[in-house]
Amino acid sequence: DTGVSQNPRHKITKRGQNVTFRCDPISEHNRLYWYRQTLGQGPEFLTYFQNEAQLEKSRLLSDRFSAERPKGSFSTLEIQRTEQGDSAMYLCASSSTGSNTEAFFGQGTRLTVV
Amino acid sequence: DAKTTQPNSMESNEEEPVHLPCNHSTISGTDYIHWYRQLPSQGPEYVIHGLTSNVNNRMASLAIAEDRKSSTLILHRATLRDAAVYYCILRGALNSGGSNYKLTFGKGTLLTVNP
Repeated sequence: DTGVSQNPRHKITKRGQNVTFRCDPISEHNRLYWYRQTLGQGPEFLTYFQNEAQLEKSRLLSDRFSAERPKGSFSTLEIQRTEQGDSAMYLCASSSTGSNTEAFFGQGTRLTVV
Repeated sequence: DAKTTQPNSMESNEEEPVHLPCNHSTISGTDYIHWYRQLPSQGPEYVIHGLTSNVNNRMASLAIAEDRKSSTLILHRATLRDAAVYYCILRGALNSGGSNYKLTFGKGTLLTVNP
């Protein structure tokens, strides 16, 4: 297993377009997280899946954002009608079930909305 | 979420030890202290975590104060590859319910390593 994989690594889109990012977690990890990071800030939590169930969505996640994890494997994060304020690094992480396990992060997808 | 306080930046010389401090005066009895680091253009990477006792692993050591209100991440011999932002995070035990599965990042400490 090569770790958490995110695609694409970079995405430039025009304002108003829809974009979709994909995350492939470490196999057998049942927990999956999405975070967003803007320049100079630490990552901010967006949403969390345990298997295929989305158990929490941050207030940061507006109605234009939707995330799925069909069959509890890979996950997608879609942003509709992108705005310039959506420009950020979108990070995915996964972890296994355990009392205090570490999270493994992907390299992220950098979104630029022009 | 219990908060942590870290210096914005620190500087070190290559092959010297580095002590990265973190204050967490509002830590609760069940909060674990986690450290992650983020290298340029990479996602965060787990470094170490602990509850009460000092911890060592291949990457670093974690020294936890007796009252648990502060901790120090120790890199024994800094290398240029250790230049990163280091985050100190408090997280409750995953099996104790609530939203303990997520990590709440601050701004961290930017470590610069001079050759």
